[in-house]
Amino acid sequence: DAKTTQPNSMESNEEEPVHLPCNHSTISGTDYIHWYRQLPSQGPEYVIHGLTSNVNNRMASLAIAEDRKSSTLILHRATLRDAAVYYCILSAPDNYGQNFVFGPGTRLSVLP
Amino acid sequence: DTGVSQDPRHKITKRGQNVTFRCDPISEHNRLYWYRQTLGQGPEFLTYFQNEAQLEKSRLLSDRFSAERPKGSFSTLEIQRTEQGDSAMYLCASSPSVGNQPQHFGDGTRLSIL
Repeated sequence: DAKTTQPNSMESNEEEPVHLPCNHSTISGTDYIHWYRQLPSQGPEYVIHGLTSNVNNRMASLAIAEDRKSSTLILHRATLRDAAVYYCILSAPDNYGQNFVFGPGTRLSVLP
Repeated sequence: DTGVSQDPRHKITKRGQNVTFRCDPISEHNRLYWYRQTLGQGPEFLTYFQNEAQLEKSRLLSDRFSAERPKGSFSTLEIQRTEQGDSAMYLCASSPSVGNQPQHFGDGTRLSIL
């Protein structure tokens, strides 16, 4: 299974940008990069995904390195509601469930 | 709200009892997944359905576990002769079958074994 490496925890101040890194040095050419987040007592929530180009949506931006061996999830203005565990996952094109290998993720704390 | 629905949200049972959980996916989603999540860990894949066909099972899914999706809509996950180690959050997710689409998760069923 393709693996990702993320810091265990990060802190941010409210209303400041947050850059959450993810290393995936063994990524294959066809793997998609997905980001999910999980709030306490809830299931994971989809944030964003991409293949090669940077992606933006209403929640966040995804910056993918040129060699695709790392990526960064960018929250432009952190709010207290963004405090969660963030997971970076690689997914093969067929998107079967066995390709979603969740690591322990990064626990983001947002300070008021 | 047309998200993934799971029932019950919490289940407390004695060791050795059987339990069954239900998942109602987003209606137009062909794919349905079950995961298990223990405290402090990310979700672990258990099994996957494409419509009513169970196409993949993790080695985590022992013979005490069985999942069904009889009409390609809702799914059930049954655990027989529960053990202490079965205590976890059981998550269901669904996705369309076209392209690399995100999975949409329910809020899970938390199982506690006494």
